[in-house]
Amino acid sequence: SQQGEEDPQALSIQEGENATMNCSYKTSINNLQWYRQNSGRGLVHLILIRSNEREKHSGRLRVTLDTSKKSSSLLITASRAADTASYFCATAAGANSKLTFGKGITLSVRP
Amino acid sequence: DTAVSQTPKYLVTQMGNDKSIKCEQNLGHDTMYWYKQDSKKFLKIMFSYNNKELIINETVPNRFSPKSPDKAHLNLHINSLELGDSAVYFCASSPTYNEQFFGPGTRLTVL
Repeated sequence: SQQGEEDPQALSIQEGENATMNCSYKTSINNLQWYRQNSGRGLVHLILIRSNEREKHSGRLRVTLDTSKKSSSLLITASRAADTASYFCATAAGANSKLTFGKGITLSVRP
Repeated sequence: DTAVSQTPKYLVTQMGNDKSIKCEQNLGHDTMYWYKQDSKKFLKIMFSYNNKELIINETVPNRFSPKSPDKAHLNLHINSLELGDSAVYFCASSPTYNEQFFGPGTRLTVL
């Protein structure tokens, strides 16, 4: 089975609310990354957190990593309709830091 | 000034045909990848090249053959296409084992 498992699978919120998405994984990692995919487009890298980091911020994004629980969360604050997309976590492991993606979370932000 | 480009964007073909998808990146990255995304949005790595050398070769039918003429190009040739090959194929590049930059995808439909 794939390394990353996100939950929930789908999330619908009102514009201005915060969105929290979770990712769990099974094996040791070098880093964990979050990507966004708009409908019909390629993936866009959002943020990378290394295995020795616990929290990282980028604009309205906040990512946490708990290696003891093998889990990560992505928080989008003050959501906007333009945040509507699929969000994927991906874990990098091994000598080649091969990325293994989760199934993705569909986020809908209602205006 | 597109960073990672793929051609064609759409490809519709009959079972049994042979087709190629081309990928080019102008970011100066050493590493390039091919991913397959199925109808449920599950994204799985197929191949990775580092400076024209194959470094990741997942369990992919040998009907799929990647070719890297130089480190800015990674093409994917598929022989004897099957219905199950229908998917969106993404090319990506990275500055070695970090965040990846994805192309817009090629939607392959096998009839």
